[in-house]
Parts: sequence; structure tokens; C-alpha cells
Amino acid sequence: DTAVSQTPKYLVTQMGNDKSIKCEQNLGHDTMYWYKQDSKKFLKIMFSYNNKELIINETVPNRFSPKSPDKAHLNLHINSLELGDSAVYFCASSQDSRDSYEQYFGPGTRLTVT
Amino acid sequence: GDSVTQMEGPVTLSEEAFLTINCTYTATGYPSLFWYVQYPGEGLQLLLKATKADDKGSNKGFEATYRKETTSFHLEKGSVQVSDSAVYFCALSDENTNAGKSTFGDGTTLTVKP
Repeated sequence: DTAVSQTPKYLVTQMGNDKSIKCEQNLGHDTMYWYKQDSKKFLKIMFSYNNKELIINETVPNRFSPKSPDKAHLNLHINSLELGDSAVYFCASSQDSRDSYEQYFGPGTRLTVT
Repeated sequence: GDSVTQMEGPVTLSEEAFLTINCTYTATGYPSLFWYVQYPGEGLQLLLKATKADDKGSNKGFEATYRKETTSFHLEKGSVQVSDSAVYFCALSDENTNAGKSTFGDGTTLTVKP
């Protein structure tokens, strides 16, 4: 049973296109996150939702828009893709936003923009 | 704001060698501390955690102690194996100042050679 799943695993697209990445967790967690990991493995948080409410919105271009239809799903839509968007995107979840709870990560989506 | 500083990598060790990866943090509150491990091609997974001063987290032979006086959470293992080759991330989470956002270090790549 996959705890946090993401689709697709790989995404290759051209500059200017719009794409979406989907994330689902079956852990019953209240909080979900999106992270971006660059080629040097640096991990940067992008967004966090708690019970479908946006609680963290880091400095991210407004071409990136998260959507949480319910607390088990957090999707990421990216408009007008740029070369610099190429990275691995990870979804994660935690029981809630309290600091003692660890995060569970999905397997990642490798986005390549050509 | 909160920050995490990890020992720079990459680190290369021979099998059965002793491992230390240093991690120090800056936080305004009383954070929980975590070590995550990322195996090649996978998402991050929790290795161990400590939620208050002097707590020791341990898992799979790895240990780290929450040292408030030195603001450190160094990761140690007495005898590494080839299968420990991965990227290791130190992280903190402080609900009082960051709404549950975790702050990650830059990651340390460990390669263990037979």
C-alpha cells in the first residue's frame, strides 16, 4: 500500500506548456506539502495545506498554483513552463502541522522542460 | 529565521568505518529535530527524530542526540554498510514560528565503498 503517491513519475514537456502533477495520501493526514529539489539535491518548500487550507506559501512564481480538492489530495499546476522549472517535485504529508510530526514523502516527479 | 547547517559533502567511507555527519541549527523556539535519508531515485524517508533537549533518536544503527546547549543534532553510525549510501538531510520543525514548516539542511551525500 503506497502511503503518498504522485503521478506522473516522469514528465517531459516543452517551454510554454501547462502541466499538472497529482498527489494523494492514504494515511489520513491533515497536512500536505509540495517541495522542489534541484539538481544539487537542495530541497525547497513551496506550499503547505492543512485541511484544505493554504498555510504556507513560499516565494514561488504565481505560475505555480496548488489545489486541494480534499485533505487526501494536493495537486500542483504549473503554467507557462520555463527551463528553470526542471527539477524533482516531491509531495509530502504529515499528521498535522505540529512540529513533532514527521513528514512522509512521495516518490517524486521528475520534470524536464526542454 | 530558522536555519539548519549540515556538514558539506560528499563523504566517502569504506565499509565498517565510523560515520559522523554534523548538523547545527538556529531556531527562535523549541523545535523538533529530524534526520531524513534519500536513497537514489526515491523520496525522503524519516531516519530518526528527537522532540526535546537531550532526547536521543535511533534507528537502523544510526543515532543522534538533541543538544540544546550546542544547538546540534549530529548523526552517527558505528559501522557503515554499502547499503547506507544515500543523501542525508537534517531538518527542524518549529510550530511556534513556522506554522509547522520544516527547514531542511542542504543534504550530505554519503558513498560507502566495499
